[in-house]
Formats: sequence, structure tokens, C-alpha cells
Amino acid sequence: AQSVAQPEDQVNVAEGNPLTVKCTYSVSGNPYLFWYVQYPNRGLQFLLKYITGDNLVKGSYGFEAEFNKSQTSFHLKKPSALVSDSALYFCAVNQAGTALIFGKGTTLSVSS
Amino acid sequence: DGGITQSPKYLFRKEGQNVTLSCEQNLNHDAMYWYRQDPGQGLRLIYYSQIVNDFQKGDIAEGYSVSREKKESFPLTVTSAQKNPTAFYLCASSISVHSGYEQYFGPGTRLTVT
Repeated sequence: AQSVAQPEDQVNVAEGNPLTVKCTYSVSGNPYLFWYVQYPNRGLQFLLKYITGDNLVKGSYGFEAEFNKSQTSFHLKKPSALVSDSALYFCAVNQAGTALIFGKGTTLSVSS
Repeated sequence: DGGITQSPKYLFRKEGQNVTLSCEQNLNHDAMYWYRQDPGQGLRLIYYSQIVNDFQKGDIAEGYSVSREKKESFPLTVTSAQKNPTAFYLCASSISVHSGYEQYFGPGTRLTVT
């Protein structure tokens, strides 16, 4: 069975510092990996996805994610955090013919 | 949230009443989904539909029902059989349910049942 884990419930960083939000996955074949962001009382917004090819994927708002097959990870990164990046972040995975499976989410808090 | 509308934003019902949540999309997507979000539990799939007049149960379908009579619309009914219906409900759509297509989400409906 496929699954995705976000090991940190909350990540705290200072504005201007780099940020990382962790995600690991478990699938039996090739994974399709996604990151979404959710602001309070809003729907989810798509940030980026990995399908195939380059392991470093660039997405919206300066975010990027690195696919590491050997470690089955897909960590979300940003070189310099903004206070406005504070939100709930979800990692998701699927395989052929199945709906997305979401992690439980990580709350990112960026302090000024 | 563009392209997918959910109404109403907030909904209050008495226990024992059925309630229907609306979801409409103008993205010409074939696939549509309903998720339930509870604090600390992420998103859990209730139902999804790959095509008009067809839908499949997700992980937590008990106490819910859906219909897909039009490509643009995928309403969710929360029945009185759902034991704990108070939650934030999110509708989404994608080009296809097949792998690799990102989902686009509506703004959500917060349902409170007392």
C-alpha cells in the first residue's frame, strides 16, 4: 500500500533563513509526488510536482523540492523564508490509476 | 481556488438532518473528488469520480453519498448516518484521475452539526 509521511507537525524558522519541510513516501513502483500549501480556512494550492526527470523540481513562490529515490524522500525547500510563507503544507503521492494520498501536514511558522 | 466553487462557505445543521454540499468546476476536468479535513489528520478521501455518471468510494465513504450527473458538478450529501459530520469539506478536480495530474481545490465548506 502506498503512504506518505510528514515527520514534523511544525517547523519554525526565522525570516530570511532557509527552510525545509520533510516528506517521505512508500510506494511499490514509480511515485508521482506533489506539494500543496493551505492558508487558514482556504482550499489547497498546488506548489509543485515530480513526475520524472531532474530530481530538483522548481515550483511556485520560490519553492523547490528534491526527489531522492534511495531515501524515498521529497523534501520541500526554500532558500530564504518569508513571513507570508507561514501556512500548512501537505505532501501527496499517487501511482497509476489511484487517487492522491496526502500526508497529515506540517505547519510552517516563519518569524520576523 | 480559481475554477472551482463550493457553497456555502459555512453550513450549520441539526443532528439527524441530511445536508448537501455544492461543488462546481469550470475547468473542463474529467475527475472530481471530495475530501474531509480534520485537525491533525490531513485530508481523507470520501468519494471520487472519473467521469459523468460514475464514482468510486474513497477511504471514508460511509455516511456520505454523491452524484455526477453533469461534468461540472459533483455534489456531496452528508447523511444522518455519518456519525461525526462536523468537519471542513474540500472539493477538487483534475484533468484525469490517472497519475501525474495535479488536483485543483475549491475554497471549502465548513460544516457544523449540533
